[in-house]
Amino acid sequence: GAVVSQHPSWVICKSGTSVKIECRSLDFQATTMFWYRQFPKQSLMLMATSNEGSKATYEQGVEKDKFLINHASLTLSTLTVTSAHPEDSSFYICSATDGGSSYNEQFFGPGTRLTVL
Amino acid sequence: GNSVTQMEGPVTLSEEAFLTINCTYTATGYPSLFWYVQYPGEGLQLLLKATKADDKGSNKGFEATYRKETTSFHLEKGSVQVSDSAVYFCALSEHNFNKFYFGSGTKLNVKP
Repeated sequence: GAVVSQHPSWVICKSGTSVKIECRSLDFQATTMFWYRQFPKQSLMLMATSNEGSKATYEQGVEKDKFLINHASLTLSTLTVTSAHPEDSSFYICSATDGGSSYNEQFFGPGTRLTVL
Repeated sequence: GNSVTQMEGPVTLSEEAFLTINCTYTATGYPSLFWYVQYPGEGLQLLLKATKADDKGSNKGFEATYRKETTSFHLEKGSVQVSDSAVYFCALSEHNFNKFYFGSGTKLNVKP
């Protein structure tokens, strides 16, 4: 089956620093990748949608200058949290769709736990 | 607009009990419906899906039927196990659109 990996699985950083999270599709070409944020005991909140080679589309209320998304290839998307603050601490999950799927199924990565001190 | 509503948890059951987690949806078109499961500390895994009305998705003893007349996609399992303890998310996706809409999740606790 389609596998999506994320790196790192967890990260702790100091307030004011930037953190980059990678999302890779391991055995398929991901035409579209998605970034979600999940707060404790809550559902996933879609942050942005990215298509390979084009600018990401951000959901309302998500700061595009703070959450930089790059989708440089069909197998890699990165989320950079710039000038992180404690309120950015969260579980970040990426997902990807296989352009060949007719049902738009999303394959999810295992998530990255970000803690900002 | 599109939205998914699912029953609030947590749901606590004894092993071998019958499980139902209710899910209803609102959609402007003809969506595909999904159930995802999230184990502690992990990402979401697809549990089952249905792409059109009256389809039944099933996997690992779980099943859900796409009911267009009641706009529902309730998750059921006849006999739960301790290993089924997780958070379950109902979701929809419109055909030809990549955007998913998730319910708030229902935590299931199964006690031995």
